[in-house]
Amino acid sequence: EAQVTQNPRYLITVTGKKLTVTCSQNMNHEYMSWYRQDPGLGLRQIYYSMNVEVTDKGDVPEGYKVSRKEKRNFPLILESPSPNQTSLYFCASSYDRDYGYTFGSGTRLTVV
Amino acid sequence: GQQVMQIPQYQHVQEGEDFTTYCNSSTTLSNIQWYKQRPGGHPVFLIQLVKSGEVKKQKRLTFQFGEAKKNSSLHITATQTTDVGTYFCAGNSGNTPLVFGKGTRLSVIA
Repeated sequence: EAQVTQNPRYLITVTGKKLTVTCSQNMNHEYMSWYRQDPGLGLRQIYYSMNVEVTDKGDVPEGYKVSRKEKRNFPLILESPSPNQTSLYFCASSYDRDYGYTFGSGTRLTVV
Repeated sequence: GQQVMQIPQYQHVQEGEDFTTYCNSSTTLSNIQWYKQRPGGHPVFLIQLVKSGEVKKQKRLTFQFGEAKKNSSLHITATQTTDVGTYFCAGNSGNTPLVFGKGTRLSVIA
């Protein structure tokens, strides 16, 4: 089944403790992206990647890192999480930036 | 930068009534996409419109792309409880990444 898999689905962590949210797609998509979704703010792009080893900042990149060493994986790294990063995170992939995106099921992160 | 505005923010309808959400861009778009997110779920791609004035239908859903490619609408005829969720439009222009509207949350009262 074609899908984008995110892990974990839920995570509660403490301020400053590094964490990684994994994202993997099995559709051979070149384009991958991370979004955070907050009430009243909609979906905001954090980082995106046009292809392997090619990443770029989105609208809200501060406090996040990403890497794209393989086509299928696009992990989101929070080096030192803070409470304002408490949010619902979605990974998405597509054949191309301009085509419909397939979203993962989401990761609900709480930083205390 | 590019902005995509979506109205209304919320809409409550009786089952069987029609529903429309509107999307407006500050710039001319190369394409517009529509997504649906059920409560507690993730956004699911519905459709993409590319041509000026394009109209596409999916059963009770009708999607339109404006002549100037700066606005779009999603119309649902005779809503059902299964239509509940948040509908997002998203568009891009030139080399900019896809920008999402804030969505319209639809509630359907049976």
